[in-house]
Amino acid sequence: DGGITQSPKYLFRKEGQNVTLSCEQNLNHDAMYWYRQDPGQGLRLIYYSQIVNDFQKGDIAEGYSVSREKKESFPLTVTSAQKNPTAFYLCASTWAGRSYGYTFGSGTRLTVV
Amino acid sequence: QQPVQSPQAVILREGEDAVINCSSSKALYSVHWYRQKHGEAPVFLMILLKGGEQKGHDKISASFNEKKQQSSLYLTASQLSYSGTYFCGTETDSWGKLQFGAGTQVVVTP
Repeated sequence: DGGITQSPKYLFRKEGQNVTLSCEQNLNHDAMYWYRQDPGQGLRLIYYSQIVNDFQKGDIAEGYSVSREKKESFPLTVTSAQKNPTAFYLCASTWAGRSYGYTFGSGTRLTVV
Repeated sequence: QQPVQSPQAVILREGEDAVINCSSSKALYSVHWYRQKHGEAPVFLMILLKGGEQKGHDKISASFNEKKQQSSLYLTASQLSYSGTYFCGTETDSWGKLQFGAGTQVVVTP
């Protein structure tokens, strides 16, 4: 079955460490997104990519980096510059055009220890 | 700019109806609606496009007033499975970039 796979499900980061969250989709979707969700809050856009080798900053890109070397993969790195990284991270994808809903992965819960 | 959702939370008995509103300060091209169960990923319910008609998904429907830059989600004859947090996502002039509201928590009780 097609879908989006995020890994790991839980991740613990020490202060000063960089960590990478994986997002892989086999839906042949063109666009991919990373959102951050804090308790009781909505989703905030970190980065998005509409085609391979191209990506744009979202509303809260500081302290994060991404790459899009393959259509099916869009990994997110949380760098040490991100001062408050503890959150639930969601990856999503969709087809090009404006008529399609997003498919979300099951998320990665990142905790700073 | 993130859209504003209201109410923040609503408690229903099975069979009752509810309305969730989503408003934006910017002109909208489309509005998406998603439902998220606790600890899970959001699930797409429906999309309303500029110039499009009212949509429906089972007994959940939605409308989109382009002039008022608002959308409403209607939960009709609610079922226990409708419990969760509902988010609207709005698309303005930047294609493929959704801004989400803070969510409306819906609890349906027997």
